[in-house]
Order: sequence, then structure tokens, then C-alpha cells
Amino acid sequence: DGGITQSPKYLFRKEGQNVTLSCEQNLNHDAMYWYRQDPGQGLRLIYYSQIVNDFQKGDIAEGYSVSREKKESFPLTVTSAQKNPTAFYLCASSIGQAGKETQYFGPGTRLLVL
Amino acid sequence: AQSVTQLGSHVSVSEGALVLLRCNYSSSVPPYLFWYVQYPNQGLQLLLKYTSAATLVKGINGFEAEFKKSETSFHLTKPSAHMSDAAEYFCAVSADTGRRALTFGSGTRLQVQP
Repeated sequence: DGGITQSPKYLFRKEGQNVTLSCEQNLNHDAMYWYRQDPGQGLRLIYYSQIVNDFQKGDIAEGYSVSREKKESFPLTVTSAQKNPTAFYLCASSIGQAGKETQYFGPGTRLLVL
Repeated sequence: AQSVTQLGSHVSVSEGALVLLRCNYSSSVPPYLFWYVQYPNQGLQLLLKYTSAATLVKGINGFEAEFKKSETSFHLTKPSAHMSDAAEYFCAVSADTGRRALTFGSGTRLQVQP
């Protein structure tokens, strides 16, 4: 089955620690995205990547970093600079012309701070 | 710039009653519009999308939405609510501005009473 997988489902971070969230897709989609979801705020874009080895900052990129070394993978690192990392993180992918594509979402990773 | 406003963070209906979830958008270019549904601790699932073809769009699970340019609205409806419709619903807009990302509303939580 084609789809988007995210791991782990739950992740715990200690103070000062960097953690990495995994996102993999086998849909052969060009573009991939990371969103952060907080209660009552909808989804906010952290980073997106249109092609391999290229990515762009979204609206709330501070304290996060990404890489796109393979088409299938778009990992997100939450660094110690992100002071309020507790949230639900969603990865998505899409194919097609910018502004006209449909995004498909993974099941999410919930990050909690110890 | 584009934005989405969802009126009503919580909507409660009785089983069998009409469901109406409101979405208004702002976009400087012709938009693509989407409704997604999210069940607790899960990713987002696409319900339906408007891509400038028919203004009345039918989606999964008996939902439909009508694009009204004059009112800048894209309200989601379902004639008869079912208990399984209880979830959070997000309206999103995408526009061909070169930036590949969706702008989401803050969401509406639908509660279905027996």
C-alpha cells in the first residue's frame, strides 16, 4: 500500500536535547511538508521541500531543521533552541503544480517534553 | 496573501440532523479549497476539494461543499449526521502564488449527540 509513515508515534524530549522525527513516503511525490498542530490553532507550516536537496522555511521554522537527501524521506529535527516543542507534528506530501496539488498526510508524531 | 476563517470552534448536532460547518477564505488569486477531517490522535484525511471545476463538490462519507465566489465561502454540509462524523474538521486554501503550502483554518470540532 502507498502512503506516508511517521515514527515514532510518541516522542519524549529532555531539556537541551535534539530529537528527530521521521517521515517516509512511497507515493513518489515530489513535495513534502512539516506542520505543527497546537490545540485551537490549526496547522502551521514549519518547512517544505519541493525537490531533493532543496527546502524552504515556513511560518515557524525557528528551532527546527530538516534535510531532503532522498525523495522518499524528509526528517525533521527539533533542536534545543525550540523552547516550546510540545505539539502534534504532521508530515505531508504532494505532487503536481504549486498551488494546485493535493496534500496527503501521515498519522503524526506527538512530541512531549519531560 | 491567503487566509481561512472557520466560524465556530465547536458545533454540536443531533444524530440525523443537518451538519453545516462554515469556512470563509481570502485569496488574491483563484484558490483551490479543501476540507480535511481529523479523528483523535490521527493525521488528516481529505474529505473533498474544489479545483475550479464544478462549484458543488461531493466528497466522501456523504459530505459536500459549495464554492461561492461572491461570498468567498466554502461551507461543508451533510444532510444527516452520524455518530461516526464526530471529529475535527479543517478548511484549507491553496493558491498558485509559487509557495507550495496550504493555509489552514483553526478547525471546527463536531460533536454528534445521540
